[in-house]
Amino acid sequence: EPEVTQTPSHQVTQMGQEVILRCVPISNHLYFYWYRQILGQKVEFLVSFYNNEISEKSEIFDDQFSVERPDGSNFTLKIRSTKLEDSAMYFCASSVSGVFNYGYTFGSGTRLTVV
Amino acid sequence: SQQGEEDPQALSIQEGENATMNCSYKTSINNLQWYRQNSGRGLVHLILIRSNEREKHSGRLRVTLDTSKKSSSLLITASRAADTASYFCATDAISFGNEKLTFGTGTRLTIIP
Repeated sequence: EPEVTQTPSHQVTQMGQEVILRCVPISNHLYFYWYRQILGQKVEFLVSFYNNEISEKSEIFDDQFSVERPDGSNFTLKIRSTKLEDSAMYFCASSVSGVFNYGYTFGSGTRLTVV
Repeated sequence: SQQGEEDPQALSIQEGENATMNCSYKTSINNLQWYRQNSGRGLVHLILIRSNEREKHSGRLRVTLDTSKKSSSLLITASRAADTASYFCATDAISFGNEKLTFGTGTRLTIIP
């Protein structure tokens, strides 16, 4: 069964440092997403990406965040200057045809700890 | 309350019993999905039910949707220890271009062997 792969599985970083979270979506999927889950809280939408551009983003996704699909296979989330409150599990997801028709396939997540 | 709220928040049952979890939402939707999350792990898509469907089955899972009440239920029959996990409903909004899912708070299900 095709999978969405995320690396690393766990990253510890110092406050103020830049981090890049990496994802390899399923190869024939066209829609890509990042969600996050702060420990014990809801899964929250960050951003959706289609046709090489952001299609929607949440209030959480401020200027400190950016996404990129640099080479046609990877999909990355960059946090420029991490804050303590960025500590969370970050999930990448992909979909064949967007949220309306099929479920997403989620990766297993990257646990980001900002110290 | 917020879009996508499950109840109960926690449920413990004996192995072999049926588990029922409920989800309520506020805005009109295209579809509603249920996901499972094992502790500290990723989200696994279980089942999707469209707004024009009332019931859907997949293996031991049965999902119902009542759009007039803006609610859904997930039934897991003949539960197993491996079903222990958190279960989330997730909804999308009806407006075109809204590509996000809104997740509920989740039900933590514990199956007692």
